[in-house]
Amino acid sequence: EAQVTQNPRYLITVTGKKLTVTCSQNMNHEYMSWYRQDPGLGLRQIYYSMNVEVTDKGDVPEGYKVSRKEKRNFPLILESPSPNQTSLYFCASKGDGELFFGEGSRLTVL
Amino acid sequence: AQKVTQAQTEISVVEKEDVTLDCVYETRDTTYYLFWYKQPPSGELVFLIRRNSFDEQNEISGRYSWNFQKSTSSFNFTITASQVVDSAVYFCALSEAGREYGNKLVFGAGTILRVKS
Repeated sequence: EAQVTQNPRYLITVTGKKLTVTCSQNMNHEYMSWYRQDPGLGLRQIYYSMNVEVTDKGDVPEGYKVSRKEKRNFPLILESPSPNQTSLYFCASKGDGELFFGEGSRLTVL
Repeated sequence: AQKVTQAQTEISVVEKEDVTLDCVYETRDTTYYLFWYKQPPSGELVFLIRRNSFDEQNEISGRYSWNFQKSTSSFNFTITASQVVDSAVYFCALSEAGREYGNKLVFGAGTILRVKS
């Protein structure tokens, strides 16, 4: 089954404690991206990757890092999380003109 | 710059009513794509439709229909005979075709639809 898998789905952490949200897709898509969803703002792109070892900033990259060492994986790294990064995060990959979204990761930073 | 506006923050209807969700977009590109996604209470994003800028034909899928009008830069979504299961947040989104834009989807803020029985 074609899918984008994110982990963890839910996480509560504390300010400053590094965390990684993993994202994996099994569709051999070159393009992957991360979005965050906040009330009243819709979804905003954090980072994207056009292919392995190629990443670029989206609209709200501050406080985040990504890597793309393999085609299927695109982890989102929060080196020093802060409360303003409390949000719902979505990973997506693109194929045939359509974005396939993961199920979302709800992150709370205390 | 790309922008998507969903002016209706929240809509409440009674079951079986028809409801239209508005979406207005801004883009300088002549080639672009418009999308609608549904986000039920469980949180996942469900793809509903993609429409390219060269296809202004209205689309109907069961109780769902979409009205795309380039003259007014609108891509409105109508649910006919709404049901409680239609209760969700609905997002309209725009993607410009050029690779320099990183295949980014620009989303509207979303419209919360509540359908009461």
